[in-house]
Amino acid sequence: SQTIHQWPATLVQPVGSPLSLECTVEGTSNPNLYWYRQAAGRGLQLLFYSVGIGQISSEVPQNLSASRPQDRQFILSSKKLLLSDSGFYLCAWSVLNQPQHFGDGTRLSIL
Amino acid sequence: AQTVTQSQPEMSVQEAETVTLSCTYDTSESDYYLFWYKQPPSRQMILVIRQEAYKQQNATENRFSVNFQKAAKSFSLKISDSQLGDAAMYFCSFGAGTYKYIFGTGTRLKVLA
Repeated sequence: SQTIHQWPATLVQPVGSPLSLECTVEGTSNPNLYWYRQAAGRGLQLLFYSVGIGQISSEVPQNLSASRPQDRQFILSSKKLLLSDSGFYLCAWSVLNQPQHFGDGTRLSIL
Repeated sequence: AQTVTQSQPEMSVQEAETVTLSCTYDTSESDYYLFWYKQPPSRQMILVIRQEAYKQQNATENRFSVNFQKAAKSFSLKISDSQLGDAAMYFCSFGAGTYKYIFGTGTRLKVLA
């Protein structure tokens, strides 16, 4: 069966520090991969999606970047975090027109 | 542009009663897919039910069912025999042949004992 792992679960970082969140998928090949951010009590904002290795589409201009170095690995990064980067980050995978499957999320707090 | 609208920020229901959550969408696509997700306080996103636009029959999963009105572009979720564990945020989502999925802003469901 397919599984998705996202880590870390919680992260507290100072302003100006770098960021790396990782997401891996098992049990499927060539999945579409997604990064979302969710503010407390709000909906999901799509940040990046990828349909293949090295292929990244950015939805919102911001302080973040994404990479897909392997078929089932998706990384969200920042060189210098801002206070506004705080939030709940969700990774997801899917195949076209099928439901998305989400990781457990990362709670990111910027101090 | 494709949009999903959930007009009810919050709903309440008595335990064992039935509640309906509303969702409308806008698209020019003829072939698409609709989903309802549940997000409990743990913030996991859990698929509740899915509906293919080409199917006229409304989807059902145990106590959860949808009322899909394609002409009206409406996709409501009915929860029967509500349980305390149904308390969560519910998100309506839409996917249509692109790689992007559009989400509504969510409805918070409270279940009263």
